[in-house]
Amino acid sequence: QKEVEQDPGPLSVPEGAIVSLNCTYSNSAFQYFMWYRQYSRKGPELLMYTYSSGNKEDGRFTAQVDKSSKYISLFIRDSQPSDSATYLCASTGGAAGNKLTFGGGTRVLVKP
Amino acid sequence: DAGVTQSPTHLIKTRGQQVTLRCSPKSGHDTVSWYQQALGQGPQFIFQYYEEEERQRGNFPDRFSGHQFPNYSSELNVNALLLGDSALYLCASSGVDRATDTQYFGPGTRLTVL
Repeated sequence: QKEVEQDPGPLSVPEGAIVSLNCTYSNSAFQYFMWYRQYSRKGPELLMYTYSSGNKEDGRFTAQVDKSSKYISLFIRDSQPSDSATYLCASTGGAAGNKLTFGGGTRVLVKP
Repeated sequence: DAGVTQSPTHLIKTRGQQVTLRCSPKSGHDTVSWYQQALGQGPQFIFQYYEEEERQRGNFPDRFSGHQFPNYSSELNVNALLLGDSALYLCASSGVDRATDTQYFGPGTRLTVL
């Protein structure tokens, strides 16, 4: 079993819809949770990170972490065609030097 | 402010050869991590360098080695290349925020092994 699981998609939505992305994790030591966006043949770009449980909002993006159920979510409001990409969730214990453990990524397609 | 840079962009090698990939971290960062991303998968951690030493290593064979220079730049070396080493190799730098160790990625080097 992988430490971070993510539905590979693809997830296809119409422009303007809310995109809902999820990950589950198994390692109780994980404290920090990140979402990265990766366009085709590019490096991952950090979108958001959250510490422990709770919500964090940044513009059209909202990240949620529920440590009791080991569940991570990312919501994208008013989705645009430029949001079409692969979204990667990642977790780490947080101490300096801790590696990032990634899910497999979910491919999202926003149709005009 | 230049972000993380990597060279070369693309590389084609044959089985058994050796390859060296290079990374320059984001300004102000002193820690470099390397990841391997196979097609359609998430990145897998190879190792991390800090103060010119390997601080942590993932589940990769000794054919994968690295180095960090005094200016914090880093190299990833892979010996005796296998077909399965074909992947996007990502470098990430960090170090400003010690609490979260937020890592920022470069564009990657795409390695094809024939």
